[in-house]
Amino acid sequence: NAGVTQTPKFRILKIGQSMTLQCTQDMNHNYMYWYRQDPGMGLKLIYYSVGAGITDKGEVPNGYNVSRSTTEDFPLRLELAAPSQTSVYFCASTPGASGNAQYFGPGTRLTVT
Amino acid sequence: SQKIEQNSEALNIQEGKTATLTCNYTNYSPAYLQWYRQDPGRGPVFLLLIRENEKEKRKERLKVTFDTTLKQSLFHITASQPADSATYLCALKLTGGGNKLTFGTGTQLKVEL
Repeated sequence: NAGVTQTPKFRILKIGQSMTLQCTQDMNHNYMYWYRQDPGMGLKLIYYSVGAGITDKGEVPNGYNVSRSTTEDFPLRLELAAPSQTSVYFCASTPGASGNAQYFGPGTRLTVT
Repeated sequence: SQKIEQNSEALNIQEGKTATLTCNYTNYSPAYLQWYRQDPGRGPVFLLLIRENEKEKRKERLKVTFDTTLKQSLFHITASQPADSATYLCALKLTGGGNKLTFGTGTQLKVEL
């Protein structure tokens, strides 16, 4: 199993550009999450999904959109990128039963200039 | 407001000693608490979970305690090794609220020879 994979690893965007961060998991997990991590800060939940076709906002959803058309994929869309979205983005998944560990991808480092 | 606090200052200890990291929280009633390890440039990795009705959990050289009266969890690494050097994050799962976690900011541990 590859686990949780994310692409790209690094990206530089200009202000106002858009992009999609890709996340795929091959563990057949129902729950998937997107977090951002700023330097010296904890992980902040952006969006999450409890299954295909179901998504919900987390703590910091503004400026982002998600979709979940399959169990495996959970892309995060940034529209009109802003410098405040410079961060490291992590995708995670869990089977769904309460208490299960979250499995994280390697992250995408995004810089908006 | 709800808050999770971990010591933001790095903890430096000598190899072979026991490292103790603290996670304090306010205004939460967590169903359980998890600890993760994060190495530079990588995603967090799950280590241990402790539920609200448990006082202590052990796994090899790791021990976690959970005091819901003090609103505190302690994370111990015994016989520490330089390979234990990393940032350690605590995360709370609230009662109800799906499977979402709220993360602390993490404490960096450095184990020196």
